[in-house]
Amino acid sequence: DAKTTQPPSMDCAEGRAANLPCNHSTISGNEYVYWYRQIHSQGPQYIIHGLKNNETNEMASLIITEDRKSSTLILPHATLRDTAVYYCIVRGSNTGNQFYFGTGTSLTVIP
Amino acid sequence: NAGVTQTPKFRVLKTGQSMTLLCAQDMNHEYMYWYRQDPGMGLRLIHYSVGEGTTAKGEVPDGYNVSRLKKQNFLLGLESAAPSQTSVYFCASSYGDIRYTFGSGTRLTVV
Repeated sequence: DAKTTQPPSMDCAEGRAANLPCNHSTISGNEYVYWYRQIHSQGPQYIIHGLKNNETNEMASLIITEDRKSSTLILPHATLRDTAVYYCIVRGSNTGNQFYFGTGTSLTVIP
Repeated sequence: NAGVTQTPKFRVLKTGQSMTLLCAQDMNHEYMYWYRQDPGMGLRLIHYSVGEGTTAKGEVPDGYNVSRLKKQNFLLGLESAAPSQTSVYFCASSYGDIRYTFGSGTRLTVV
């Protein structure tokens, strides 16, 4: 599975969009990009995933560059409850490929 | 619908004692996983199961054993606890292997 690189921490003003970057320059063609978050030592929570097209759901948007070497998770209107550690994971879709979590980005939403 | 339930939530063990952590899911998921998380680190996969009666090793399996006798339960055993096993343990399950649902964690201290 491709490795990912994320900034260790970021701040965002409440109500503003939070843009969390992730580099995955060694991603291969069948590998998806997944995002999870972990709020205050709770179990991680699935946010979104995508292969090459941009994706949007009720929680966030995922923008993947055309060469697929990087992506950005966008929280359109960050709230204090979005303060969490965000994990970007790249993984193949084959059965048996497990998620390996790095240290992620610690996002702090500031009032 | 309880999702993923971990038992117990907290435990203190003495070095050399044994214990079993129970993970139960009510979503009929095929896949189940055990992770550990140490302070300031991401989650590391201990063992996983792709179906009833199957188990496999993850990144950090040493010192742990697992069993999946029933589809809904995944047990993690520590035969002889060591201080290095002080950690927060998370269980997760998934239907395919894309979207994981995590439990709330078991906080284990070995003294």
